[in-house]
Amino acid sequence: GAVVSQHPSRVICKSGTSVKIECRSLDFQATTMFWYRQFPKKSLMLMATSNEGSKATYEQGVEKDKFLINHASLTLSTLTVTSAHPEDSSFYICSARGGTAQPTYEQYFGPGTRLTVT
Amino acid sequence: GEDVEQSLFLSVREGDSSVINCTYTDSSSTYLYWYKQEPGAGLQLLTYIFSNMDMKQDQRLTVLLNKKDKHLSLRIADTQTGDSAIYFCAESLTGYSTLTFGKGTMLLVSP
Repeated sequence: GAVVSQHPSRVICKSGTSVKIECRSLDFQATTMFWYRQFPKKSLMLMATSNEGSKATYEQGVEKDKFLINHASLTLSTLTVTSAHPEDSSFYICSARGGTAQPTYEQYFGPGTRLTVT
Repeated sequence: GEDVEQSLFLSVREGDSSVINCTYTDSSSTYLYWYKQEPGAGLQLLTYIFSNMDMKQDQRLTVLLNKKDKHLSLRIADTQTGDSAIYFCAESLTGYSTLTFGKGTMLLVSP
């Protein structure tokens, strides 16, 4: 149990376009979802925390107008990278927690999405 | 400096034991975790330890915690080639707090 999926697994987009990444909890309802960004040879950087039905809380230095997060249901959160630029190329990972997952405090991670902006 | 530090690389032979070390700075950390990340994949929770424990064993994995020195280690017994991955140490103040990750240790297991 406690499986989190992400879609797409890889995406290539042109500079200036927007791209949406989905994060789904497949077999549990998650009250909280997290979005991380992972740079090569760097740790995961928390971008934002989102609770179902409310606005996401962004970490310092993360532009909320550039990285739009929507958490419309207990099983789905989306991250939209707007007007993407090459420096946005990265590995984006989501995690989900709470709700019907046991234990409720454990974060379950998705497999990640590799974004390449050309 | 970084809140959570790890060495970046470890190479071992198949069958040997691997020990991955981690230090953290926040003495208030209550939960300490080890995650495994295989190439191109997300993170898989391997094990965690509460700050009031000094050891936890789970099959081939042994976690040792020295709270005084804020040092955490993960020992993998009888390391296999399938154990090759990046291992992240992480800490959180409470079970519901956000996680702070180290940069990860790449473990390479050679036959």
